[in-house]
Amino acid sequence: DTAVSQTPKYLVTQMGNDKSIKCEQNLGHDTMYWYKQDSKKFLKIMFSYNNKELIINETVPNRFSPKSPDKAHLNLHINSLELGDSAVYFCASSQVGGGGYTFGSGTRLTVV
Amino acid sequence: GENVEQHPSTLSVQEGDSAVIKCTYSDSASNYFPWYKQELGKGPQLIIDIRSNVGEKKDQRIAVTLNKTAKHFSLHITETQPEDSAVYFCAAAPPTSGTYKYIFGTGTRLKVLA
Repeated sequence: DTAVSQTPKYLVTQMGNDKSIKCEQNLGHDTMYWYKQDSKKFLKIMFSYNNKELIINETVPNRFSPKSPDKAHLNLHINSLELGDSAVYFCASSQVGGGGYTFGSGTRLTVV
Repeated sequence: GENVEQHPSTLSVQEGDSAVIKCTYSDSASNYFPWYKQELGKGPQLIIDIRSNVGEKKDQRIAVTLNKTAKHFSLHITETQPEDSAVYFCAAAPPTSGTYKYIFGTGTRLKVLA
């Protein structure tokens, strides 16, 4: 059973489009995250939700909007996609105070 | 805020040799330091971690050391094997609202040459 699953794995879309990435975890964790990994492999946090509540919101354009319908799901919607949004987006989850993240396998977004 | 520097950016070793990757952090409040291994096309996977009340931790061929005074920590891999080839990330986690907001290093691409 996949612990943290993201869909889709690959996403190719044109500039200006709106797209969503979905994430689900079956670990019973109460915190979920979105990280962006750029072409140089640098990992940077975007958002974090704890029990459906937004607790970390880094300096991210407001075209990016996370949504957590329940603590097992955290989706990422991106409006008006730009070339610079091309990256790999990772979802992760953890237990408060428990330390380690469990990452999903990533969604490679390519904006053309 | 926290800043994590990681060196080297690339590291090539012969199979069987040891590899050492070093990280420094800036926020003395950081109290949790995980290391992640990322293989091609996959998400990062936790391989070992250490908390600030411990100086060293080992798990088979992998060890991590922490020097709180100097604010640096290192990953040591002994008897390297080709399957150890990957990108390795260190991270530091300052307590933030009760959750762990990781600040990652810039990664080290390790190549183990057979």
